[in-house]
Amino acid sequence: DQQVKQNSPSLSVQEGRISILNCDYTNSMFDYFLWYKKYPAEGPTFLISISSIKDKNEDGRFTVFLNKSAKHLSLHIVPSQPGDSAVYFCAASDPGTASKLTFGTGTRLQVTL
Amino acid sequence: ETGVTQTPRHLVMGMTNKKSLKCEQHLGHNAMYWYKQSAKKPLELMFVYSLEERVENNSVPSRFSPECPNSSHLFLHLHTLQPEDSALYLCASSQGLGRNEQFFGPGTRLTVL
Repeated sequence: DQQVKQNSPSLSVQEGRISILNCDYTNSMFDYFLWYKKYPAEGPTFLISISSIKDKNEDGRFTVFLNKSAKHLSLHIVPSQPGDSAVYFCAASDPGTASKLTFGTGTRLQVTL
Repeated sequence: ETGVTQTPRHLVMGMTNKKSLKCEQHLGHNAMYWYKQSAKKPLELMFVYSLEERVENNSVPSRFSPECPNSSHLFLHLHTLQPEDSALYLCASSQGLGRNEQFFGPGTRLTVL
């Protein structure tokens, strides 16, 4: 049973618009969440994270929102750029096994001109 | 070389073969990880090493045998694999365990015939 779910396998957004990638989780013990980005033929690279004591974390064009009651987080990219086209993975960990990341299946973002 | 490197990048092997995957990190980290990504499935953590000691074995079959001779190198020895073991195998490293960012290599694409 998947504890981290990314229900949209793909998303297409026009350059300059907002991209919103969603992630749901089922394990209420998760208290730390991360987003990774992956280009073809490369490994995932860390993008942004959020602790459960916050509901928002911002880093430049990237903002992650956490709704603990809904067990939902989202990644907003504003404005979207063609170089943002990649697969985005949501991941989570709990305090007991902090080094063990549980990943979602990923969402492929395509930013079009 | 910089970051995390993995060799080979592609590997095709028969079920009776023995092969090894190699990972090297050039970041001065002391924790290393093996992940498996099967088609349309999330990344799954296989093994975690900290200071060259295995600290996590995520119910991985014994046909996968990890080895960490020093903090910069990690191997995954493969023997008598099954076709369902065909996947992308990713290595990662971090400075310590816990909530520290994991840096990934590009992966080895393994096909078992």
